[in-house]
This record gives sequence, structure tokens and C-alpha cells, in this order.
Amino acid sequence: NAGVTQTPKFRVLKTGQSMTLLCAQDMNHEYMYWYRQDPGMGLRLIHYSVGEGTTAKGEVPDGYNVSRLKKQNFLLGLESAAPSQTSVYFCASSYRTLAGAHEQYFGPGTRLTVT
Amino acid sequence: AQSVTQPDIHITVSEGASLELRCNYSYGATPYLFWYVQSPGQGLQLLLKYFSGDTLVQGIKGFEAEFKRSQSSFNLRKPSVHWSDAAEYFCAVGAGNYGQNFVFGPGTRLSVLP
Repeated sequence: NAGVTQTPKFRVLKTGQSMTLLCAQDMNHEYMYWYRQDPGMGLRLIHYSVGEGTTAKGEVPDGYNVSRLKKQNFLLGLESAAPSQTSVYFCASSYRTLAGAHEQYFGPGTRLTVT
Repeated sequence: AQSVTQPDIHITVSEGASLELRCNYSYGATPYLFWYVQSPGQGLQLLLKYFSGDTLVQGIKGFEAEFKRSQSSFNLRKPSVHWSDAAEYFCAVGAGNYGQNFVFGPGTRLSVLP
């Protein structure tokens, strides 16, 4: 199993350009997430999905859109990139354990720089 | 609102010394608690978790953590640190109906002296 994979690993954008980050998981998890990681702030949730065709906003959703057309894929889009979106982006997926709680598994991250 | 604090931004220990990383949380209900480790340039790897039951939980790589409800804490410990433990450590609390929305602390960077 590959687990959670992310494409691309690195990207440099100019202000105003658009791009899509792709996350794929092969663990048949229902839930998927997009986070951003900035120095000293830990990980902050951008958007998440509780199943195919559903999405919801997290803590910092502005400037991002997401889609979950297939259960195994979760796409994060930036329509008009801004320097404030320079960050490392992590995708995660989770399942609900027998204890009732979720356990999240993370991808390797995408480092995005917006100039 | 849920929150997680990790009071120590950076800790340096000598190889072979013991380690304790602090984590405090704010959450109204019974928390689901996690510790993750991130090596440079890598994703996050789950070290251990607490859902219920025994308040002392064991994880991978020789780590353990103790849940103390009265102190709202979930501190991570290791009796003898190895150079390969140098990394960033994140504490998280699972919020939402099923704990699916994680709130992360800011992280503690661990350096290990030879």
C-alpha cells in the first residue's frame, strides 16, 4: 500500500496563478483532509471531506477550493495564488476506529512558494 | 473552542538522557489525544494515541504518554533519547462528533546532542 500520496512535491507560482494539488489514498478511508503548515503554528485545517461528493470548511478555508469526485482522491485548488499562501500543504485521510475515534494518516507534503 | 498548547518551542537534550515534552489541551468533552512526529522534509507519523481507558499509553519507538484529566495534559516521555529522535513533535486533540477534526499544537522541536 502506498498510503497517502501527494502531487506535486514542490511548486513555485507567481501571484495570481492557479494550481491544483492532488491527494490520493489507497486505504479506502471515508474522510480526507487538507492542512497547511506554517512555522510556529502547527497544522491548520483548510477543508475536509466526510465522503465522496461532500466537502466542508475548516479553520482557514479562504482562498482555497476542494473537490472529492472519487473516494480515493481529494483535490485542493488555488484560483488566484497570493504570497500568504506560501506554505507546506499536507493531505491526510482517516477511518473511524472501533473505539469511535478517528486516526489520521498523512501524506509527505507539498511545498508551495508564491512569489 | 478547542486548543492545544505546547509550551516548549525548542528542547535540546543529550543522547541517552530522558525526555518529556509537554502538551496541554482545552476541550469540553472527553478528548481523543495524539502525538505525531515529523522528521525534516517528511510527513507526520503517529507515535501514540489516547482514546479511553488506561491513562498511560505506549507508542512506537519507545515513547509513552500519560493523560491527566485534572491537569488537561498529555505529556510525551522517553527514558533514553537516541540521536534519531531529533525531529518536530506535535500534540493534537480530535474534535467534532467523532473526533475527526484535529486541532494541532504549534510543535516542539527536539535537538539531540551526541
